[in-house]
Amino acid sequence: AQSVTQLDSQVPVFEEAPVELRCNYSSSVSVYLFWYVQYPNQGLQLLLKYLSGSTLVKGINGFEAEFNKSQTSFHLRKPSVHISDTAEYFCAGGAGAGSYQLTFGKGTKLSVIP
Amino acid sequence: DGGITQSPKYLFRKEGQNVTLSCEQNLNHDAMYWYRQDPGQGLRLIYYSQIVNDFQKGDIAEGYSVSREKKESFPLTVTSAQKNPTAFYLCASSIVGENSPLHFGNGTRLTVT
Repeated sequence: AQSVTQLDSQVPVFEEAPVELRCNYSSSVSVYLFWYVQYPNQGLQLLLKYLSGSTLVKGINGFEAEFNKSQTSFHLRKPSVHISDTAEYFCAGGAGAGSYQLTFGKGTKLSVIP
Repeated sequence: DGGITQSPKYLFRKEGQNVTLSCEQNLNHDAMYWYRQDPGQGLRLIYYSQIVNDFQKGDIAEGYSVSREKKESFPLTVTSAQKNPTAFYLCASSIVGENSPLHFGNGTRLTVT
């Protein structure tokens, strides 16, 4: 079964500093991976997705992620964070047919410090 | 604008009562889902439906029930059999098919006392 591990539950970072949120997946078959963002008391919004092709994926709000098959990782990065990036970020992945087989990580809370 | 509407945003119930959470979408998506979110636990799938009048249990279906009588609507009933119902509930929809991203509503926070 597919599993998704987010290595940090909380990440504090100063405003305008770079940030990396780590995500590892396990699967022996081709995978598809997503990053979602959740602001307080709201639903999840899609940041970016990797289905196939280029391993560097660009998303909204200046975020990007790199799919690394050898390290089974899909880390999310942003070169310079803003206060408005404070939120919880979820990595999700699947390896089967249908979105119902999507597995979510437990989330990483990003706190941007002024 | 197309989207998913969950209502109400906050819901309070006494223990032993059934409660129904509403989810409506106008994205013309065939597939709809219910997830439960608890702090530090990520999202866990309760039920999903890929077509009207058909639905499947997810990972934590016990104590919950759903119906899918219309394409646009997928209500979730939290029954008195659910042992720990206090949580944040998220409804989502997608195109049926591999790799389709989920579109989420803004959630309903249920508190049972």
